[in-house]
Amino acid sequence: AQSVAQPEDQVNVAEGNPLTVKCTYSVSGNPYLFWYVQYPNRGLQFLLKYITGDNLVKGSYGFEAEFNKSQTSFHLKKPSALVSDSALYFCAVRDRSGATNKLIFGTGTLLAVQP
Amino acid sequence: EPEVTQTPSHQVTQMGQEVILRCVPISNHLYFYWYRQILGQKVEFLVSFYNNEISEKSEIFDDQFSVERPDGSNFTLKIRSTKLEDSAMYFCASLRDRGYNEQFFGPGTRLTVL
Repeated sequence: AQSVAQPEDQVNVAEGNPLTVKCTYSVSGNPYLFWYVQYPNRGLQFLLKYITGDNLVKGSYGFEAEFNKSQTSFHLKKPSALVSDSALYFCAVRDRSGATNKLIFGTGTLLAVQP
Repeated sequence: EPEVTQTPSHQVTQMGQEVILRCVPISNHLYFYWYRQILGQKVEFLVSFYNNEISEKSEIFDDQFSVERPDGSNFTLKIRSTKLEDSAMYFCASLRDRGYNEQFFGPGTRLTVL
């Protein structure tokens, strides 16, 4: 079965410091990986994806993620955190076992950026 | 920029009542989904819909649930007889095509069953 794991329920970082939100995956074959962000009382917003190509992918709001096949990881990063980055972040993998492209989500990591 | 919309934003209902959650996907998208998120838990897939039929459903999507796309624009999720455990945030999502990999999500409908 395909899955993603987000080992940290919460990540705390000071504004201006680099941030990392961790994600590991378990899939058969090549993974299609995604990061989404959820602000309070809002829907899920797409941040970035890895399908193929460069292991470092850049996305919205200055976020990037590094795909590491040997470690089966897809960690989300940002060089300098902003208070406005505080939100719930979900890693997801596309289920390639069927034809529906459904997403399988991790449990989410709450990012808290302190001023 | 086109977006997925959902109505209502919040629905309160009594246990045993029927509810219909509505979504308007992005107009040129072909694949449609419902997910739900119980408070404090992860987002879970419910059902996918393509070419006017269900293409996949999860074990959560039992006989109490149904979906339809009645008029080519709206995409609805019906819960026939709500249970307390149906209380959750329900998200609609759409996908342009299999070659376009990111799904676009609506803002969600918070369903509260009393």
